[in-house]
Amino acid sequence: EAQVTQNPRYLITVTGKKLTVTCSQNMNHEYMSWYRQDPGLGLRQIYYSMNVEVTDKGDVPEGYKVSRKEKRNFPLILESPSPNQTSLYFCASTRLAGGTDTQYFGPGTRLTVL
Amino acid sequence: GENVEQHPSTLSVQEGDSAVIKCTYSDSASNYFPWYKQELGKRPQLIIDIRSNVGEKKDQRIAVTLNKTAKHFSLHITETQPEDSAVYFCAASGPLSGYSTLTFGKGTMLLVSP
Repeated sequence: EAQVTQNPRYLITVTGKKLTVTCSQNMNHEYMSWYRQDPGLGLRQIYYSMNVEVTDKGDVPEGYKVSRKEKRNFPLILESPSPNQTSLYFCASTRLAGGTDTQYFGPGTRLTVL
Repeated sequence: GENVEQHPSTLSVQEGDSAVIKCTYSDSASNYFPWYKQELGKRPQLIIDIRSNVGEKKDQRIAVTLNKTAKHFSLHITETQPEDSAVYFCAASGPLSGYSTLTFGKGTMLLVSP
């Protein structure tokens, strides 16, 4: 089954404790992206990747890091989480490098930073 | 970068009525306009999309229209049903320094009353 998976689905942590949210897709998609969703603000792009070893900042990259060492995986790293990073996070992937095709979203990760 | 404005933020209709959600975009080079539906607690899912070389696209009860000159596009849902209740997001994608990224509107919560 074609899918995007994320882990963990729920995470409660404390300020400053490094964490990683994993994202994996089995569709051989080139383009992957991370979004955060906050009430009233919609979906805002954090980082995206056009292909292996190619990443770039989205609209809200501060406080986040990503890597793309393999085509299927695109982890999101919070080196020193802060309460303003409490949010719902979605990973997405799409076939075309330009992102101009159907984006498949993962199930979401709800992060709470105390 | 691209800026997408979406209106209204909430929309309440009676079952069987039509619903229209409107979006405007700022980058005249944008060429791909998808609409996503997000049910409560679930991931966004593509319901319809349109590219800049067409003015209208229809899929059963939903349709999207695009006016490139005015830089706006709209989602039309006819004969609404309670299961249409969800948050709907529009988005726009276009070239940016040789690459493309997807910018979302802030969402419209559609409530369909039986």
